[in-house]
Amino acid sequence: DGGITQSPKYLFRKEGQNVTLSCEQNLNHDAMYWYRQDPGQGLRLIYYSQIVNDFQKGDIAEGYSVSREKKESFPLTVTSAQKNPTAFYLCASSIGETLNQPQHFGDGTRLSIL
Amino acid sequence: QQPVQSPQAVILREGEDAVINCSSSKALYSVHWYRQKHGEAPVFLMILLKGGEQKGHEKISASFNEKKQQSSLYLTASQLSYSGTYFCGVASGTYKYIFGTGTRLKVLA
Repeated sequence: DGGITQSPKYLFRKEGQNVTLSCEQNLNHDAMYWYRQDPGQGLRLIYYSQIVNDFQKGDIAEGYSVSREKKESFPLTVTSAQKNPTAFYLCASSIGETLNQPQHFGDGTRLSIL
Repeated sequence: QQPVQSPQAVILREGEDAVINCSSSKALYSVHWYRQKHGEAPVFLMILLKGGEQKGHEKISASFNEKKQQSSLYLTASQLSYSGTYFCGVASGTYKYIFGTGTRLKVLA
């Protein structure tokens, strides 16, 4: 079955450390997205990518970086510059333009500070 | 600007109806609705497009008022499985997407 796989499910970061969250999809979707969700809050867009080798900042990109070297993969790095990284991170994909296509989500990665 | 949803929370008994509203300060071209269970990923419910077309796959209906920049989600004869947090999402560009503030819904037996 096609879907989006995020790993790991839980991740712990030490002070000053960069960590990378994996997101892989086998839906053959062009567009991929990263969201951050804080407890009791909605989803906020970190980065998105329309096609391979291209990505755009979302509303809260500071302290994060991404790459899109393959269509299937869109890893997110939480850098040491992100001072409050504890949150639930969700990766999503869509066939094409968001205007008329739904987003499909992975099961998320919960990141905490040690 | 994040779309505002109302109510923030609602508690229902099984079989009762509910309406969740989503208001945007920007012009809407489409509105998407998702439901998220605690600790899980959001699940797509429905898309409403400018001009009235709807795409969805559950027994849930919705309306889209372009002039008022609002959408409403109608949950009829609610079931226990309807419990969760409902989010509307609006496109603020071809790919850029903004989710609403969320509405927590609890259905009691």
